[in-house]
Amino acid sequence: EPEVTQTPSHQVTQMGQEVILRCVPISNHLYFYWYRQILGQKVEFLVSFYNNEISEKSEIFDDQFSVERPDGSNFTLKIRSTKLEDSAMYFCASSRGQGRGYTFGSGTRLTVV
Amino acid sequence: QKEVEQDPGPLSVPEGAIVSLNCTYSNSAFQYFMWYRQYSRKGPELLMYTYSSGNKEDGRFTAQVDKSSKYISLFIRDSQPSDSATYLCAMSAIETRGSRLTFGEGTQLTVNP
Repeated sequence: EPEVTQTPSHQVTQMGQEVILRCVPISNHLYFYWYRQILGQKVEFLVSFYNNEISEKSEIFDDQFSVERPDGSNFTLKIRSTKLEDSAMYFCASSRGQGRGYTFGSGTRLTVV
Repeated sequence: QKEVEQDPGPLSVPEGAIVSLNCTYSNSAFQYFMWYRQYSRKGPELLMYTYSSGNKEDGRFTAQVDKSSKYISLFIRDSQPSDSATYLCAMSAIETRGSRLTFGEGTQLTVNP
């Protein structure tokens, strides 16, 4: 069964450093997303991406965040200057169409120290 | 009022029991309703996907949507210890580009052998 692949599975970074989280969505999917889940809290939407541009972003997705699809297979989330409160699980997801079921990756656990 | 409300539990049942999980929501624009299962420190896994009101059955799982009451349910028949996980309801509205999912808090379920 096709999977969404995320790397790394766990990343520890110092406050103020830049991090890039990587995702390989399912190949025939057209919509790509990033969500995050702070420990013990609900899964929260960050950003959706379609046709090489951001479709929608939440209030969490401020100027410190950016997304990119540098080639035909990868989808990345960059956090420019990490804060302690950025510590969370970050999930990449993809879907074939709007409002259809999404497939999530296993997540990257980001720890900012 | 939260957009999506879900009792976080925890819910503990004996093996073989029928489990009922529920969510209520306030946004009448939601058209797509999903249930995800999430094991500890893993990504959400899509279990059921329904559009608008009605019932959908898949093996031991039945999803119900009542849009008039803004209420959705997931029933698990003949529950197994392997069903022990956190169950997340999620929903989205019809959007022109990209559809963010709004998640409930998740209900932690334990099925005891």
